Amino acid sequence: GENVEQHPSTLSVQEGDSAVIKCTYSDSASNYFPWYKQELGKGPQLIIDIRSNVGEKKDQRIAVTLNKTAKHFSLHITETQPEDSAVYFCAAPSTSGTYKYIFGTGTRLKVLA
Amino acid sequence: GAGVSQSPSNKVTEKGKDVELRCDPISGHTALYWYRQRLGQGLEFLIYFQGNSAPDKSGLPSDRFSAERTGESVSTLTIQRTQQEDSAVYLCASSPQLINEQFFGPGTRLTVL
Repeated sequence: GENVEQHPSTLSVQEGDSAVIKCTYSDSASNYFPWYKQELGKGPQLIIDIRSNVGEKKDQRIAVTLNKTAKHFSLHITETQPEDSAVYFCAAPSTSGTYKYIFGTGTRLKVLA
Repeated sequence: GAGVSQSPSNKVTEKGKDVELRCDPISGHTALYWYRQRLGQGLEFLIYFQGNSAPDKSGLPSDRFSAERTGESVSTLTIQRTQQEDSAVYLCASSPQLINEQFFGPGTRLTVL
């Protein structure tokens, strides 16, 4: 069945350094890959997404890259700040007759001041 | 504009009781999702509704769980005969269409004693 694996589960970086989180997916027909940020006590919020017709998308300090051949996509955060500390989730839609989303297990990012 | 709202924000119940959780999606959003998030864990898909199509109930963990949606408006998730393992945050999300950004509510924290 469909599966999304996310690594690492925890990540600590010094303020100003970069952070990279990687997800792999199994459904080759998936065509939309969002990244969500969840702060404590809140629902997840979309920070960036990419569709399968492009290989990279950037929004200020955040970028997402997609490798369809290898079936993985990554979140890149540059010049990290303490407010980037949160849990990040990747997701991919299941397209085998349904449109539910499969979420990764999450990465807890800590940016150390 | 108004986002996704959920009520109650917190619910404490005794084992064996029934509970009903409510989700008000963003107006005009045709897709609505329910997820369960146990403490420190990822998002577990429960069910989604899309317009007037039959809902995808493939994620409901047992027949104690059920959900309804009236047209493209409010949805209720009902858990009958609650068990301690049902304790979690239940998140609702809506989307203007399939394969698009999901907008999450703040969640309902359910505690079963």
